[in-house]
Amino acid sequence: DGGITQSPKYLFRKEGQNVTLSCEQNLNHDAMYWYRQDPGQGLRLIYYSQIVNDFQKGDIAEGYSVSREKKESFPLTVTSAQKNPTAFYLCASSLRDRSGYTFGSGTRLTVV
Amino acid sequence: GQNIDQPTEMTATEGAIVQINCTYQTSGFNGLFWYQQHAGEAPTFLSYNVLDGLEEKGRFSSFLSRSKGYSYLLLKELQMKDSASYLCAVRDGAAGNKLTFGGGTRVLVKP
Repeated sequence: DGGITQSPKYLFRKEGQNVTLSCEQNLNHDAMYWYRQDPGQGLRLIYYSQIVNDFQKGDIAEGYSVSREKKESFPLTVTSAQKNPTAFYLCASSLRDRSGYTFGSGTRLTVV
Repeated sequence: GQNIDQPTEMTATEGAIVQINCTYQTSGFNGLFWYQQHAGEAPTFLSYNVLDGLEEKGRFSSFLSRSKGYSYLLLKELQMKDSASYLCAVRDGAAGNKLTFGGGTRVLVKP
């Protein structure tokens, strides 16, 4: 079955460390997205990519980095420059220019 | 930019009807989506409107008025499992067709 997989589900990080969140899809979707969700809040866009080897900053890109070397994969790195990284991170994908999003199950990151 | 507003929280009784409103301002409207999200889980797709009018899908219906920048999600015959957050999202054709989400409406269904 096609889908979008995020791993790990829970992640703990020490302050000052970089951490990479994985997102893989086998839906043959062109576009992929990373959102952040804080408790009781909506989704805020971090980065998105509409095609391989290209990506754009979203509304809250500072302290994050991404790569899109393969169509199936869009990993997100939370760097030590991100001041408040504890949050629920959601990856999504879509067919380019149409349809809604398919979401992964999310990664809950906690900085300890 | 975009601005999407929806109420923060609503409470309703099992078996009743609840209407969640969403207003938006966008330069290149290209569709409006409603998602359901249970706590700690990923959002799941409920409905999509791009033309004015009502879309019905079982107990859930969604309405759109593009001239008013307004949509609502109607949940009928409420069940306890409908307790969740409901996210309104607008697709902007002038911004790469990506979705911008409202803050979500938390619906609590009481017995």
